[in-house]
Amino acid sequence: AQSVTQLGSHVSVSEGALVLLRCNYSSSVPPYLFWYVQYPNQGLQLLLKYTTGATLVKGINGFEAEFKKSETSFHLTKPSAHMSDAAEYFCAVSPYNFNKFYFGSGTKLNVKP
Amino acid sequence: KAGVTQTPRYLIKTRGQQVTLSCSPISGHRSVSWYQQTPGQGLQFLFEYFSETQRNKGNFPGRFSGRQFSNSRSEMNVSTLELGDSALYLCASSLAQDRNEQFFGPGTRLTVL
Repeated sequence: AQSVTQLGSHVSVSEGALVLLRCNYSSSVPPYLFWYVQYPNQGLQLLLKYTTGATLVKGINGFEAEFKKSETSFHLTKPSAHMSDAAEYFCAVSPYNFNKFYFGSGTKLNVKP
Repeated sequence: KAGVTQTPRYLIKTRGQQVTLSCSPISGHRSVSWYQQTPGQGLQFLFEYFSETQRNKGNFPGRFSGRQFSNSRSEMNVSTLELGDSALYLCASSLAQDRNEQFFGPGTRLTVL
C-alpha cells in the first residue's frame, strides 16, 4: 500500500529564508516521488520528480528535493524564499509501474515580506 | 502546445441531478486521469483512461463514471449528486511512454446545493 504524509499543513517563512517542506511516504514497491505546486484557482504544476538515479533532484523555480530511502523521505527545499513561492505544495507517490498517484494532504506556504 | 483544458470551469447543480465534465488532454497524450480535490479529503484519484479503456480506478462509488473518446478527450459523469460531491475536479494527461509525468488542467469547480 502507498501513502504520503506531509508534516505541517501551514508553513510560514520570511522572504529570503530557507524553505523546507517535509514529506514522508510508505510504499510496498519502489516508488516514483513527485512534488507539485498549486496556485489559487489553478491546477497542479510539477516542480520535480524522482524516478531512479541521483537522489538529489533539482526542479523548477530553484526548488530541490532529496530522496532518502532509509528515512522514507522526500523533503522539498529552496535556499531563499520569494514572495511568488506562496502557494500550496503537494507531495505524491506512484508505484514504479504507475497505477495511480497518492497525494499528501498539502502544505500551504506563506512568505512574509 | 496547448495545455490540458477542462470545461466548464464552474458549475452549480442541485442534489439528485447529474453532471458531465469534460477534459481535453495535451495533443499527443493518450492517458487521462481524474482527481477529486476537497478541503477535507485532499486529492483523491478517481480513474485513469488510456486508449478508450479504463485502466485504473480509485475508491469511489459507481455514481462516478467516465469515458474516453478516440481523440483522447475524456468525460466524467456523476449521477445523483450529493452535497459531498462539491469539489474541484482535476484532469491530468500524460504520454503513453512517460505515464509518470502528469500535466494537470485548471479544474472544474462543482458546487452542489
